[in-house]
Amino acid sequence: QKEVEQNSGPLSVPEGAIASLNCTYSDRGSQSFFWYRQYSGKSPELIMFIYSNGDKEDGRFTAQLNKASQYVSLLIRDSQPSDSATYLCAVFSGYSTLTFGKGTMLLVSP
Amino acid sequence: DVKVTQSSRYLVKRTGEKVFLECVQDMDHENMFWYRQDPGLGLRLIYFSYDVKMKEKGDIPEGYSVSREKKERFSLILESASTNQTSMYLCATRRDLRLYEQYFGPGTRLTVT
Repeated sequence: QKEVEQNSGPLSVPEGAIASLNCTYSDRGSQSFFWYRQYSGKSPELIMFIYSNGDKEDGRFTAQLNKASQYVSLLIRDSQPSDSATYLCAVFSGYSTLTFGKGTMLLVSP
Repeated sequence: DVKVTQSSRYLVKRTGEKVFLECVQDMDHENMFWYRQDPGLGLRLIYFSYDVKMKEKGDIPEGYSVSREKKERFSLILESASTNQTSMYLCATRRDLRLYEQYFGPGTRLTVT
């Protein structure tokens, strides 16, 4: 069974710090990887996706993928209180549907 | 921008009622999904559809059915609502099953009393 694991948190960081969110997956054949942000009571919002090994940067966000270690991470630089949310990792393994982790709660304190 | 809308933001129904949740997307995406999300259990796939009139069971299809008569519209049906179906229901769409991003609607918080 395909699994996506995330630490539930909460991960607490001060404003301006770098937040590092991690995700591991079980299916070595996984092809594409997504990070969603979900505010309390709201639906998940796609913020990053990555298909190839290495880093992908978009503004304050950097997604990192290491397929050999089956590990994907999301770095948030200059964290803001508005970044406080639950971050969901999702993995596509080639069988048509995404497998989601249960999410990591991030708290950014002013 | 992809726009995914759901018929209701909040819904309260009684046990035994038949409940319809509707999802509409405006981006001509082939694939549509219904999830439920519960604390501690994460997102769980109920059903998905990869074409009009086509459907596939997800991880937890029991107690649910779906309908897709038009490409842009995907309905989730609770045949006889039960209290354990109280949840947040999320619709999502994706252009291609193999790649590309998946976009979610705003969600329907259903309470069954």
